[in-house]
Amino acid sequence: DIVMTQSPDSLAVSLGERATINCKSSQSVFYSPNNKNHLAWYQQKPGQPPKLLIYWASTRESGVPDRFSGSGSGTDFTLTISSLQTEDVAVYYCQQYYGLPNTFGQGTKLEIK
Amino acid sequence: QVQLVESGGGVVQPGRSLRLSCAASGLTFSNYDMHWVRQAPGKGLEWVAVISYDGSNKYYADSVKGRFTISRDNSKNTLSLQMNSLRAEDTAVYYCAKAMWQQPNSVFDYWGQGTLVPVSS
Repeated sequence: DIVMTQSPDSLAVSLGERATINCKSSQSVFYSPNNKNHLAWYQQKPGQPPKLLIYWASTRESGVPDRFSGSGSGTDFTLTISSLQTEDVAVYYCQQYYGLPNTFGQGTKLEIK
Repeated sequence: QVQLVESGGGVVQPGRSLRLSCAASGLTFSNYDMHWVRQAPGKGLEWVAVISYDGSNKYYADSVKGRFTISRDNSKNTLSLQMNSLRAEDTAVYYCAKAMWQQPNSVFDYWGQGTLVPVSS
Protein backbone atom coordinates (compact mmCIF):
# COMPACT_ATOMS: atom_id res chain seq x y z
CA ASP A 1 0.00 0.00 0.00
CA ILE A 2 1.10 3.57 -0.64
CA VAL A 3 1.52 5.38 2.67
CA MET A 4 0.64 9.07 2.73
CA THR A 5 2.28 11.21 5.42
CA GLN A 6 1.19 14.79 6.07
CA SER A 7 3.02 17.51 7.94
CA PRO A 8 2.44 19.19 10.23
CA ASP A 9 -0.30 17.38 12.18
CA SER A 10 -1.69 20.75 13.22
CA LEU A 11 -1.11 24.33 12.18
CA ALA A 12 -2.18 27.72 13.51
CA VAL A 13 -2.06 30.67 11.09
CA SER A 14 -3.19 34.28 11.45
CA LEU A 15 -6.11 35.53 9.37
CA GLY A 16 -4.92 36.76 5.99
CA GLU A 17 -1.65 34.87 6.22
CA ARG A 18 -0.47 31.93 4.14
CA ALA A 19 -1.03 28.34 5.27
CA THR A 20 1.05 25.50 3.85
CA ILE A 21 0.36 21.79 4.32
CA ASN A 22 2.69 19.09 3.05
CA CYS A 23 1.99 15.55 1.89
CA LYS A 24 4.56 12.88 1.10
CA SER A 25 3.83 9.52 -0.53
CA SER A 26 5.87 6.37 0.08
CA GLN A 27 6.22 5.90 -3.68
CA SER A 28 5.70 8.11 -6.68
CA VAL A 29 2.10 8.77 -7.67
CA PHE A 30 3.10 10.17 -11.05
CA TYR A 31 1.57 8.08 -13.84
CA SER A 32 3.56 8.40 -17.03
CA PRO A 33 0.86 7.32 -19.54
CA ASN A 34 -1.30 10.35 -18.66
CA ASN A 35 1.54 12.55 -17.39
CA LYS A 36 -0.38 13.29 -14.20
CA ASN A 37 0.12 13.07 -10.47
CA HIS A 38 -2.69 11.04 -8.90
CA LEU A 39 -3.01 13.20 -5.79
CA ALA A 40 -6.05 14.95 -4.34
CA TRP A 41 -6.79 17.25 -1.40
CA TYR A 42 -9.94 17.36 0.72
CA GLN A 43 -11.26 19.72 3.37
CA GLN A 44 -13.37 18.42 6.26
CA LYS A 45 -15.16 20.73 8.65
CA PRO A 46 -16.55 19.42 11.98
CA GLY A 47 -19.65 17.29 11.57
CA GLN A 48 -19.44 17.37 7.77
CA PRO A 49 -18.20 14.95 5.11
CA PRO A 50 -15.00 15.71 3.28
CA LYS A 51 -15.12 18.13 0.36
CA LEU A 52 -12.93 17.73 -2.71
CA LEU A 53 -10.67 20.75 -3.21
CA ILE A 54 -7.97 19.71 -5.68
CA TYR A 55 -7.16 16.74 -7.90
CA TRP A 56 -4.35 15.90 -10.32
CA ALA A 57 -2.24 17.62 -7.63
CA SER A 58 -3.08 21.11 -8.87
CA THR A 59 -6.52 21.18 -10.56
CA ARG A 60 -9.01 23.09 -8.47
CA GLU A 61 -12.49 21.56 -8.22
CA SER A 62 -15.30 23.73 -9.54
CA GLY A 63 -16.40 26.33 -7.00
CA VAL A 64 -13.28 26.14 -4.86
CA PRO A 65 -11.86 29.62 -4.13
CA ASP A 66 -8.65 30.45 -5.92
CA ARG A 67 -6.85 31.07 -2.63
CA PHE A 68 -6.49 27.28 -2.53
CA SER A 69 -3.71 25.89 -4.69
CA GLY A 70 -1.88 22.59 -5.01
CA SER A 71 1.62 21.87 -6.19
CA GLY A 72 4.25 19.15 -6.29
CA SER A 73 5.11 16.04 -8.23
CA GLY A 74 6.26 12.49 -7.71
CA THR A 75 6.25 11.98 -3.94
CA ASP A 76 6.10 15.50 -2.49
CA PHE A 77 3.04 17.73 -2.60
CA THR A 78 1.81 20.94 -1.02
CA LEU A 79 -1.57 22.53 -0.39
CA THR A 80 -1.37 26.30 0.00
CA ILE A 81 -4.04 28.67 1.23
CA SER A 82 -2.78 32.08 0.18
CA SER A 83 -4.79 34.21 2.61
CA LEU A 84 -6.46 32.35 5.46
CA GLN A 85 -10.15 33.03 6.08
CA THR A 86 -12.20 32.02 9.12
CA GLU A 87 -14.18 29.51 7.02
CA ASP A 88 -10.96 27.66 6.19
CA VAL A 89 -10.70 26.23 9.69
CA ALA A 90 -10.88 22.50 9.04
CA VAL A 91 -8.93 19.28 8.77
CA TYR A 92 -7.22 18.77 5.42
CA TYR A 93 -6.43 15.37 3.90
CA CYS A 94 -4.36 14.33 0.94
CA GLN A 95 -5.29 11.16 -0.98
CA GLN A 96 -3.48 9.15 -3.59
CA TYR A 97 -5.46 7.45 -6.33
CA TYR A 98 -2.51 5.96 -8.17
CA GLY A 99 -3.24 2.46 -6.92
CA LEU A 100 -5.62 0.44 -4.79
CA PRO A 101 -6.20 0.76 -1.98
CA ASN A 102 -6.86 4.46 -2.27
CA THR A 103 -5.07 5.88 0.77
CA PHE A 104 -5.30 9.11 2.73
CA GLY A 105 -2.88 11.07 4.83
CA GLN A 106 -3.55 11.26 8.56
CA GLY A 107 -4.92 14.79 8.28
CA THR A 108 -3.71 18.28 9.22
CA LYS A 109 -5.81 20.37 11.55
CA LEU A 110 -5.77 24.05 10.57
CA GLU A 111 -6.71 26.67 13.14
CA ILE A 112 -6.65 30.44 13.49
CA LYS A 113 -3.79 31.91 15.50
CA GLN B 1 -27.95 18.52 -7.60
CA VAL B 2 -26.26 15.30 -6.58
CA GLN B 3 -27.46 13.86 -3.27
CA LEU B 4 -26.21 10.77 -1.50
CA VAL B 5 -28.11 9.69 1.61
CA GLU B 6 -26.84 6.83 3.76
CA SER B 7 -29.01 4.80 6.09
CA GLY B 8 -28.87 1.62 8.14
CA GLY B 9 -26.37 2.59 10.81
CA GLY B 10 -26.83 1.89 14.49
CA VAL B 11 -25.39 0.02 17.44
CA VAL B 12 -24.50 -3.60 16.68
CA GLN B 13 -22.82 -6.25 18.80
CA PRO B 14 -19.47 -7.76 17.84
CA GLY B 15 -19.87 -10.70 15.50
CA ARG B 16 -23.24 -9.55 14.20
CA SER B 17 -24.19 -8.19 10.80
CA LEU B 18 -25.50 -4.90 9.46
CA ARG B 19 -26.47 -3.63 6.01
CA LEU B 20 -25.91 -0.03 4.99
CA SER B 21 -27.63 1.64 2.07
CA CYS B 22 -26.96 4.79 0.08
CA ALA B 23 -29.72 6.38 -1.99
CA ALA B 24 -28.47 8.48 -4.88
CA SER B 25 -30.30 11.23 -6.73
CA GLY B 26 -29.48 14.03 -9.12
CA LEU B 27 -27.13 11.96 -11.24
CA THR B 28 -27.17 9.12 -13.74
CA PHE B 29 -26.21 6.60 -11.07
CA SER B 30 -25.39 3.80 -13.50
CA ASN B 31 -22.59 5.89 -15.06
CA TYR B 32 -20.38 6.09 -11.98
CA ASP B 33 -18.23 3.86 -9.84
CA MET B 34 -19.21 4.18 -6.18
CA HIS B 35 -17.17 3.83 -2.99
CA TRP B 36 -17.54 3.39 0.74
CA VAL B 37 -15.13 5.32 2.95
CA ARG B 38 -15.17 5.20 6.74
CA GLN B 39 -13.91 7.37 9.57
CA ALA B 40 -13.45 6.09 13.11
CA PRO B 41 -14.42 8.62 15.80
CA GLY B 42 -11.80 11.37 15.96
CA LYS B 43 -9.65 9.62 13.35
CA GLY B 44 -8.77 9.94 9.67
CA LEU B 45 -10.34 8.59 6.52
CA GLU B 46 -10.08 4.94 5.46
CA TRP B 47 -11.19 3.68 2.06
CA VAL B 48 -13.33 0.54 2.38
CA ALA B 49 -14.58 -0.67 -1.00
CA VAL B 50 -15.43 0.26 -4.59
CA ILE B 51 -17.90 -1.13 -7.10
CA SER B 52 -17.77 -0.39 -10.80
CA TYR B 53 -20.56 1.49 -12.55
CA ASP B 54 -22.11 -1.74 -13.82
CA GLY B 55 -21.41 -3.86 -10.74
CA SER B 56 -18.99 -6.13 -12.56
CA ASN B 57 -15.89 -5.26 -10.54
CA LYS B 58 -15.48 -4.92 -6.79
CA TYR B 59 -12.41 -4.21 -4.68
CA TYR B 60 -11.97 -4.14 -0.92
CA ALA B 61 -9.55 -2.93 1.72
CA ASP B 62 -7.68 -5.81 3.32
CA SER B 63 -9.24 -4.87 6.67
CA VAL B 64 -12.73 -5.81 5.45
CA LYS B 65 -12.05 -8.38 2.73
CA GLY B 66 -14.09 -11.53 3.26
CA ARG B 67 -16.43 -9.83 5.74
CA PHE B 68 -17.95 -6.93 3.80
CA THR B 69 -19.74 -7.05 0.44
CA ILE B 70 -20.45 -4.02 -1.72
CA SER B 71 -23.34 -4.12 -4.18
CA ARG B 72 -25.56 -1.82 -6.19
CA ASP B 73 -28.98 -1.74 -7.79
CA ASN B 74 -28.88 0.64 -10.73
CA SER B 75 -32.63 0.31 -11.25
CA LYS B 76 -33.16 1.78 -7.77
CA ASN B 77 -30.15 4.14 -7.69
CA THR B 78 -28.95 2.42 -4.53
CA LEU B 79 -25.56 1.39 -3.21
CA SER B 80 -25.24 -1.13 -0.37
CA LEU B 81 -22.64 -2.46 2.03
CA GLN B 82 -23.30 -5.77 3.77
CA MET B 83 -21.12 -5.97 6.85
CA ASN B 84 -20.70 -9.37 8.53
CA SER B 85 -18.64 -10.52 11.52
CA LEU B 86 -18.37 -6.97 12.79
CA ARG B 87 -15.54 -6.05 15.12
CA ALA B 88 -15.01 -3.19 17.53
CA GLU B 89 -12.47 -1.70 15.12
CA ASP B 90 -15.20 -1.38 12.47
CA THR B 91 -16.79 1.37 14.58
CA ALA B 92 -16.93 4.40 12.32
CA VAL B 93 -19.00 6.82 10.31
CA TYR B 94 -19.52 5.20 6.92
CA TYR B 95 -19.72 7.50 3.91
CA CYS B 96 -20.79 6.60 0.42
CA ALA B 97 -18.90 8.58 -2.15
CA LYS B 98 -19.23 9.04 -5.88
CA ALA B 99 -16.18 8.49 -8.04
CA MET B 100 -15.32 11.18 -10.54
CA TRP B 101 -14.34 8.59 -13.15
CA GLN B 102 -15.10 5.03 -14.20
CA GLN B 103 -11.94 3.71 -12.55
CA PRO B 104 -11.41 2.00 -9.18
CA ASN B 105 -8.67 4.55 -8.46
CA SER B 106 -10.46 7.84 -8.31
CA VAL B 107 -11.17 10.99 -6.44
CA PHE B 108 -14.48 11.39 -4.69
CA ASP B 109 -16.41 14.44 -5.84
CA TYR B 110 -19.63 13.89 -3.89
CA TRP B 111 -20.08 12.43 -0.41
CA GLY B 112 -23.08 11.54 1.69
CA GLN B 113 -23.47 12.85 5.23
CA GLY B 114 -22.49 9.47 6.64
CA THR B 115 -24.09 6.92 8.95
CA LEU B 116 -22.59 5.94 12.30
CA VAL B 117 -21.96 2.29 13.10
CA PRO B 118 -20.89 1.68 16.71
CA VAL B 119 -19.86 -1.93 17.31
CA SER B 120 -20.23 -2.60 20.99
CA SER B 121 -21.54 -5.21 23.38
